[in-house]
Amino acid sequence: ETGVTQTPRHLVMGMTNKKSLKCEQHLGHNAMYWYKQSAKKPLELMFVYNFKEQTENNSVPSRFSPECPNSSHLFLHLHTLQPEDSALYLCASSQDPTTALNTEAFFGQGTRLTVV
Amino acid sequence: KQEVTQIPAALSVPEGENLVLNCSFTDSAIYNLQWFRQDPGKGLTSLLLIQSSQREQTSGRLNASLDKSSGRSTLYIAASQPGDSATYLCAVYNAGNMLTFGGGTRLMVKP
Repeated sequence: ETGVTQTPRHLVMGMTNKKSLKCEQHLGHNAMYWYKQSAKKPLELMFVYNFKEQTENNSVPSRFSPECPNSSHLFLHLHTLQPEDSALYLCASSQDPTTALNTEAFFGQGTRLTVV
Repeated sequence: KQEVTQIPAALSVPEGENLVLNCSFTDSAIYNLQWFRQDPGKGLTSLLLIQSSQREQTSGRLNASLDKSSGRSTLYIAASQPGDSATYLCAVYNAGNMLTFGGGTRLMVKP
């Protein structure tokens, strides 16, 4: 148990569906992240939120829409996805590295997404 | 743009061997470096965190070193066990909350 919880663990959705991934952390961290892990590729950073403000959008298509209502919760809203979007989506949290010396990142177990 | 490379991509060793996993990065202006373990289909488990001012960190049979000036880190695993079989990922933290990952080393320890 890392202190970062992701739901659901598995999701199958059609290309016309709308779904949301949820991430929750109880570590008192200020920064939260979404990563995508596809087969045989390194983890790709998608979005970064620091103190609820989006600080990074790594050229992610608009069919992925993040939401960070507070520093403990992070959502990834999905709509009109493509089969190539099938992947493991990982959420992580850490302290703000500009203020803290120890910026260890903690990851959730991920959501395995399959787009059919 | 930071790039992280891990060598080898895959490694298979008999139980009991000591082994070294390598990680290199192109931009030495890092805050810290973190080693993770990932079991198939699972999330990442943090193993060791080395801050930019440190040279190494140890946890049990694991020892990670950092040479920031040359852009290199190694993860040393002593007396490997079948339970160590997993993918090991190296990641570096740059300014702006940027955690950049290498491609990982897939380790198989045979009984």
